Amino acid sequence: NAGVTQTPKFQVLKTGQSMTLQCAQDMNHEYMSWYRQDPGMGLRLIHYSVGAGITDQGEVPNGYNVSRSTTEDFPLRLLSAAPSQTSVYFCASRLQDSYGYTFGSGTRLTVV
Amino acid sequence: ELKVEQNPLFLSMQEGKNYTIYCNYSTTSDRLYWYRQDPGKSLESLFVLLSNGAVKQEGRLMASLDTKARLSTLHITAAVHDLSATYFCAVAGLNYGGSQGNLIFGKGTKLSVKP
Repeated sequence: NAGVTQTPKFQVLKTGQSMTLQCAQDMNHEYMSWYRQDPGMGLRLIHYSVGAGITDQGEVPNGYNVSRSTTEDFPLRLLSAAPSQTSVYFCASRLQDSYGYTFGSGTRLTVV
Repeated sequence: ELKVEQNPLFLSMQEGKNYTIYCNYSTTSDRLYWYRQDPGKSLESLFVLLSNGAVKQEGRLMASLDTKARLSTLHITAAVHDLSATYFCAVAGLNYGGSQGNLIFGKGTKLSVKP
């Protein structure tokens, strides 16, 4: 039982490049979400999913795409990276009718 | 729209002293969470408070919830250096489904405990 696994842990991108941040969980959690953390801002919700095939926007979705083709995986795509997307990204999951959230270890992304 | 405010945002304490971090939220909720984050690390769950009047304690930390006042407190007793970290409160909506299952975070309180 690995919990929530995020890859990569660190990434440097050039402006305009695209990439996918991976998030996988092996706990059969229906709910998954992506947050970004910036200094002094707390964690802000980017996108979330309540099950395979269902996704929705959070507070700061612009510049990010998601899909949920399986229960286990919830990748976050940056189509054209911008310096404003420099941040630490956390993935979290939860069993639908429970209250405990499991967080991944984070991906530190720098866009230059 | 659910909003969460924490104060103070920065807290410098001396070892052995007591202090309280406050978390206010704007709409009705039945779940409040406290997390700890060390620099460069992920979030560590401290407490989940599920009902009005709930009180939970772990070591030198005690959390409480007043749903009528929409207020939670994290009380630190006799602080030690090891408690230095950033503490976040987060609130979720009234039911577990859809957007109300999302956690909304406060901006965090950076605690520094000095000898």
